[in-house]
Amino acid sequence: AQTVTQSQPEMSVQEAETVTLSCTYDTSENNYYLFWYKQPPSRQMILVIRQEAYKQQNATENRFSVNFQKAAKSFSLKISDSQLGDTAMYFCAFASPAIGAGNMLTFGGGTRLMVKP
Amino acid sequence: DTGVSQDPRHKITKRGQNVTFRCDPISEHNRLYWYRQTLGQGPEFLTYFQNEAQLEKSRLLSDRFSAERPKGSFSTLEIQRTEQGDSAMYLCASSLAGFASTDTQYFGPGTRLTVL
Repeated sequence: AQTVTQSQPEMSVQEAETVTLSCTYDTSENNYYLFWYKQPPSRQMILVIRQEAYKQQNATENRFSVNFQKAAKSFSLKISDSQLGDTAMYFCAFASPAIGAGNMLTFGGGTRLMVKP
Repeated sequence: DTGVSQDPRHKITKRGQNVTFRCDPISEHNRLYWYRQTLGQGPEFLTYFQNEAQLEKSRLLSDRFSAERPKGSFSTLEIQRTEQGDSAMYLCASSLAGFASTDTQYFGPGTRLTVL
């Protein structure tokens, strides 16, 4: 079974600074995808960034970037120039086309990020 | 494109009652997922549809739970004889996938169920 672990239940960062959220996962699959989702206090889950395991280059989306270490099974999210609107729960998630019929997501337990003014 | 919508947003019911939730996916999305999220936890997969066919069900989905997706459009999730342990946020997601690909899932706002 696949597992996703987020070891930081809560984090805080000052506005405009950089913060890194950690995620590790366990799988025997070689072909898989990793995601970071953001869930603001309104609770709608929003995709932040996505990484294909076969790509060596780390994904970036504006202020968000990942550090994907396949051998270490690590997938951290870096948020640069943190903004108050980044305050949310962040979930790391895993999916593999080889598991099940529909690429269901396996989520970590989440990290609550608070951006302070 | 209006995104994934769910109805109702909140449902309070008494133990033993039946409840039904609806999810409308993004137009043309062929995959639809249901997840359950308890407070402070990550979502857990419940079931998945490819068009109108229910192709995967989690062990979390007891016999009291049933889901349908008639005509491959909207989906309903029914919980019979609700229990207090069913209290959670029920999330729906949809995606557009081709063969042998991993799609990106887009989530709805969820239905928060409280069982008294």
